Amino acid sequence: QITLKESGPTLVKPTQTLTLTCTFSGFSLSTTGVGVAWIRQPPGKALEWLAIIHWDETRYYSPSLHSRLTITKDASASHVVLTMTNMDPVDTGTYYCAHRGGVNAAIGFWGQGTLVTVSS
Amino acid sequence: SYVLTQPPSVSVAPGETASITCGGNNIGGKSVHWYQQKPGQAPLLVIYYDSERTSGIPERFSGSNFGNTGTLTISRVEAGDEADYYCQVWDFSTDHMVFGGGTKLTVL
Repeated sequence: QITLKESGPTLVKPTQTLTLTCTFSGFSLSTTGVGVAWIRQPPGKALEWLAIIHWDETRYYSPSLHSRLTITKDASASHVVLTMTNMDPVDTGTYYCAHRGGVNAAIGFWGQGTLVTVSS
Repeated sequence: SYVLTQPPSVSVAPGETASITCGGNNIGGKSVHWYQQKPGQAPLLVIYYDSERTSGIPERFSGSNFGNTGTLTISRVEAGDEADYYCQVWDFSTDHMVFGGGTKLTVL
């Protein structure tokens, strides 16, 4: 059974760096084709893809946020970490991590999401 | 960058058929995935690879993709189908994941 869970601060101040951790089980990020993505959703708004890291260490980022994002996975490959620099109130929203089983596959499994509020 | 366009809202009476479109340049050449999201919940994959139904999703849900439009069709709509629906593709030319702006389905 594939599960993912996001963890990190619920409140960050403007200009600070956000660090979110995705802890997953039920799959290996070393398996060919597998990727873990981060997707966010501001309150009342649409889903927005942020970044993805694949089994082969390739990483891709949203073009509009590329300069602020870094996605990594740890040595055991059971955690994926997303950092976002220079946080702003417009970055407030629910942040999801999610599993994708193949390069062109759908997001088959989602974490429950974590609400991050950016406010001074 | 690649853009997916969805109507903001679709309204349908119970028992009728709802069609939610996802427009994109030659989207027919890509694989379209559809997600259902109810308030306070994470998205749920309902249709993948244009027309494949996720296990547990009723046969009333179907998908198609041709030309510049992907379509999610929900037949015999029920009150429980009321939700936001998002389409999504992977753009191989840029290696970016793209979501549509979402469509709110209202069951009258």
